[in-house]
Amino acid sequence: EPEVTQTPSHQVTQMGQEVILRCVPISNHLYFYWYRQILGQKVEFLVSFYNNEISEKSEIFDDQFSVERPDGSNFTLKIRSTKLEDSAMYFCASSESGGASSYNEQFFGPGTRLTVL
Amino acid sequence: LAKTTQPISMDSYEGQEVNITCSHNNIATNDYITWYQQFPSQGPRFIIQGYKTKVTNEVASLFIPADRKSSTLSLPRVSLSDTAVYYCLVGDIFSGGYQKVTFGTGTKLQVIP
Repeated sequence: EPEVTQTPSHQVTQMGQEVILRCVPISNHLYFYWYRQILGQKVEFLVSFYNNEISEKSEIFDDQFSVERPDGSNFTLKIRSTKLEDSAMYFCASSESGGASSYNEQFFGPGTRLTVL
Repeated sequence: LAKTTQPISMDSYEGQEVNITCSHNNIATNDYITWYQQFPSQGPRFIIQGYKTKVTNEVASLFIPADRKSSTLSLPRVSLSDTAVYYCLVGDIFSGGYQKVTFGTGTKLQVIP
């Protein structure tokens, strides 16, 4: 069964450093997403991406965050200058194109645990 | 997106049927109801989705009354491996060709041996 993969599984960084979290969505999917989950809290939407541009973003996704699809397979989330409160599990997800006859099940990856010291 | 309300936690013994009810009084005409499951330290996983009446797959059943203001996820004969958080989501799945998935706090199901 195809799956979304994410690397690394755990990233430790110093406050103020840049981090790049990587995701490989399912190959025939066209819509890509990033979510985060602070320990013990709910899953929060960050951004959705389609056709090489951001479709929607939340208020969490400020100028410190950026996303990119650098090639045909990877989807990345960059945090320019990490803060302590960025420590969380970051989930990537992907879904097929939407349409009147289908629903958009989002397939989530296993997550990257980001720890900012 | 319609606001959803579901119990914070539930306990069940192995082998029992578990029903988790979600209230969504402000559901819109175009909204679908979707349930996700999340195990600790893992990403959420789609379980089932429906619009009205009853939907069943190999994992669960989803019951939606005629007024659609609530829905019930039914898990038959739960096992210890069903211990997880279950999220009820409501939204227009066709909006913009994708669905911004907004998770609430979910229902933490604990299955007891």
